[in-house]
Amino acid sequence: DAGITQSPRYKITETGRQVTLMCHQTWSHSYMFWYRQDLGHGLRLIYYSAAADITDKGEVPDGYVVSRSKTENFPLTLESATRSQTSVYFCASSHQRQGNTEAFFGQGTRLTVV
Amino acid sequence: QQQVKQSPQSLIVQKGGISIINCAYENTAFDYFPWYQQFPGKGPALLIAIRPDVSEKKEGRFTISFNKSAKQFSLHIMDSQPGDSATYFCAGWDEGQAGTALIFGKGTTLSVSS
Repeated sequence: DAGITQSPRYKITETGRQVTLMCHQTWSHSYMFWYRQDLGHGLRLIYYSAAADITDKGEVPDGYVVSRSKTENFPLTLESATRSQTSVYFCASSHQRQGNTEAFFGQGTRLTVV
Repeated sequence: QQQVKQSPQSLIVQKGGISIINCAYENTAFDYFPWYQQFPGKGPALLIAIRPDVSEKKEGRFTISFNKSAKQFSLHIMDSQPGDSATYFCAGWDEGQAGTALIFGKGTTLSVSS
């Protein structure tokens, strides 16, 4: 199916463990983004990527690592999970910026760190 | 520094009333201003957007008003319906070191009572 998919939808992990959240899009969009959503904070940008092998930090990058070896995939890794990283994570993608553009979001991954 | 400030945090409106959500931005490099709508358990989806060279844009019951000199823009929902109950985010596209990224306000939870 075309679109943007995130996996897993739900994840429980222990403090200190490494966990990777997956994001896959079928549109060949150049741009991909990772956000976390927390009550009272809205959507905060973690990392974004303009193309394969081009990534940059957003507002809250500490404790996260990303890679983009293929245009369609943009995994987010928590190297050593902490309770403060309990959140809902959203991946998004958009066309290369040419005037108006729309970002399309996945369904989200609810991550709980215990 | 919060680049996009959104208010109110929550809003209760009676069916048929007008819902108004306000946003102010700091970064004059923003050049496209979308509003996203999010229902519980779903990812955000584009609702309506405006370019800064336009003062108003209307799509059905939804209108964006834009004041470039004041660096403010607002969403008006006319004849609000219970189905409009959702979280609304204003946003701006910002140029970063590795391309453009979508920066969000903290969101407004709208409840339309029947």
